Amino acid sequence: GNSVTQMEGPVTLSEEAFLTINCTYTATGYPSLFWYVQYPGEGLQLLLKATKADDKGSNKGFEATYRKETTSFHLEKGSVQVSDSAVYFCALRGSGNTGKLIFGQGTTLQVKP
Amino acid sequence: KAGVTQTPRYLIKTRGQQVTLSCSPISGHRSVSWYQQTPGQGLQFLFEYFSETQRNKGNFPGRFSGRQFSNSRSEMNVSTLELGDSALYLCASRLQGSDYGYTFGSGTRLTVV
Repeated sequence: GNSVTQMEGPVTLSEEAFLTINCTYTATGYPSLFWYVQYPGEGLQLLLKATKADDKGSNKGFEATYRKETTSFHLEKGSVQVSDSAVYFCALRGSGNTGKLIFGQGTTLQVKP
Repeated sequence: KAGVTQTPRYLIKTRGQQVTLSCSPISGHRSVSWYQQTPGQGLQFLFEYFSETQRNKGNFPGRFSGRQFSNSRSEMNVSTLELGDSALYLCASRLQGSDYGYTFGSGTRLTVV
């Protein structure tokens, strides 16, 4: 079945450091891929998405490229801020008209001033 | 534009009781999904509704049920509560056929004592 694997956290960085959170997936067909962010005490917010191979999703300085050859969708940001501290989830939606999202286990990011 | 509204935000119940959680989707969104979030299991898909019909169901026991009304509002019910049902329950809505991903509510924090 479909699955998502994220790098384990927590990830601790200093402000302005470069961020990479790895995400790989297993899926049949052509899934859509997403990154969601969760701040303490809140629900999930869509950060970015990509719906086909080689698509690059970007938002608020974050980027991720849908790599079908390596089944990956790594999240990157060139310079993190303290306000980026949160839990990040990689997710996929399978082919077809399903609305079911499959999530990775989440990666906690802590950015120190 | 109002977001996804979940009520109540917090709930404490006793083992053996039942509980009903409510979700009002974004206006115009007819697809609603429910997820359970726990520290141990992460985010797990419960079910998806569209036009009052359940379209997908996750791997949860029959104690977990849901429904959707003609105005797209949805409820989920958990009967005979167990301690392990303590979790954050998240509702999400989307425009059917859209690949913009789901918009999540802030969740209902259920504690079973």
